[in-house]
Amino acid sequence: QSMLTQPPSASGTPGQRVTISCSGSSSNIGSNSVYWYQQLPGTAPKLLIYRTNQRPSGVPDRFSGSKSGTSASLAISELRSEDEADYYCAAWDDSLTRSVFGGGTKLTVL
Amino acid sequence: QLQLQESGPGLVKPSETLSLTCTVSAVSISSSSYSWGWIRQPPGKGLEWIGSLYYSGSTYYNPSLKSRISFSVHTSKNQFSLRLSSVTAADTAIYYCARQLDCTSTSCSPDFDYWGQGTLVTVSS
Repeated sequence: QSMLTQPPSASGTPGQRVTISCSGSSSNIGSNSVYWYQQLPGTAPKLLIYRTNQRPSGVPDRFSGSKSGTSASLAISELRSEDEADYYCAAWDDSLTRSVFGGGTKLTVL
Repeated sequence: QLQLQESGPGLVKPSETLSLTCTVSAVSISSSSYSWGWIRQPPGKGLEWIGSLYYSGSTYYNPSLKSRISFSVHTSKNQFSLRLSSVTAADTAIYYCARQLDCTSTSCSPDFDYWGQGTLVTVSS
């Protein structure tokens, strides 16, 4: 059972904006940075967002992260077919003294 | 270009010990700027953090696995290793090693910026 809760699926059409949510608690998202990963089929995860809203070099600005209280969100604007992937949120949990991942959201581009 | 490569047996028998090594190229694993972690992913399922190795030598282990895991570092070979004992079918997964940036003496955020390609380990007799 994941400590962070994500919707199992999301979808959108090309050009649309989609948002993926990640719900946690005061001991993880509420007090620490959130990280987002994109995993294309058959490949290792790729860091998409770090420290809640920062993009690593090379990640398009179509991807953005935010958080409010104990929830975080990943927004993808101008959706493209190549964005079809699994997306995971993650954070450090102070109470559990461990990193926790969300269960993942499979994004389908219709 | 930084690269990480996992290596080890692809098949382990139940109750035995799983041993994996991650070989790092282009950056020293002894650098105080980085930490190193292990993450696994059961086939068709989500990611699970196994643990992290802080540059000082401190380790962070997933409490659910803590009694069975250990890390080691081989600085001369620029490698770090994972051992997971008493494995069961539930330990069948793709195991990834990764570089981690935001560890301190009290926490280790899951900011893995470089990953290995992963290696599938199956636990079966």
